[in-house]
Amino acid sequence: AQRVTQPEKLLSVFKGAPVELKCNYSYSGSPELFWYVQYSRQRLQLLLRHISRESIKGFTADLNKGETSFHLKKPFAQEEDSAMYYCALYNFNKFYFGSGTKLNVKP
Amino acid sequence: SQTIHQWPATLVQPVGSPLSLECTVEGTSNPNLYWYRQAAGRGLQLLFYSVGIGQISSEVPQNLSASRPQDRQFILSSKKLLLSDSGFYLCAWSVPTPGFYEQYFGPGTRLTVT
Repeated sequence: AQRVTQPEKLLSVFKGAPVELKCNYSYSGSPELFWYVQYSRQRLQLLLRHISRESIKGFTADLNKGETSFHLKKPFAQEEDSAMYYCALYNFNKFYFGSGTKLNVKP
Repeated sequence: SQTIHQWPATLVQPVGSPLSLECTVEGTSNPNLYWYRQAAGRGLQLLFYSVGIGQISSEVPQNLSASRPQDRQFILSSKKLLLSDSGFYLCAWSVPTPGFYEQYFGPGTRLTVT
């Protein structure tokens, strides 16, 4: 069965420090994976999708099929990155979300 | 451009009362539509999804039901609310285009059952 796990509920870092938000998944095929972000008082929105291999707001995420991971990384965190982050997997019309990680970037 | 609306934004209802939450999408045709419940620390729980008018798939047995009377309208209902139905409900849409499966979310409805 499909499952997405985000082991950290809260991650606190100082401004300028590197950030890595962990995401592991279980899926038998080739996954379609996404990171979503929810800033305070804003809608949940797409941050990036693995298939695009893009960098958005300095964030990148690499799919590691061997480790079944899709960790989100940023080399230098900014205060405006503070938000709730969700990892998600798509399979045949359905999306499976992790429980989310709250990122707190301290000044 | 596409937009998604949900109403009401907040709702306080007594136990045993009925519920109707509405979601509409503009600017796209034949979208997939979704209802989620978002709980703190537990992420998004998929409740229902629909790939077309009148086509509803239920993911979690519960006190709720969904309907899609029109292409871009998705309704979440209950005949009798329970305390456990309290939560934040999100509607979302997507167009299943290969390589672009992402979802777009509405602003949500905060439901409090008293």
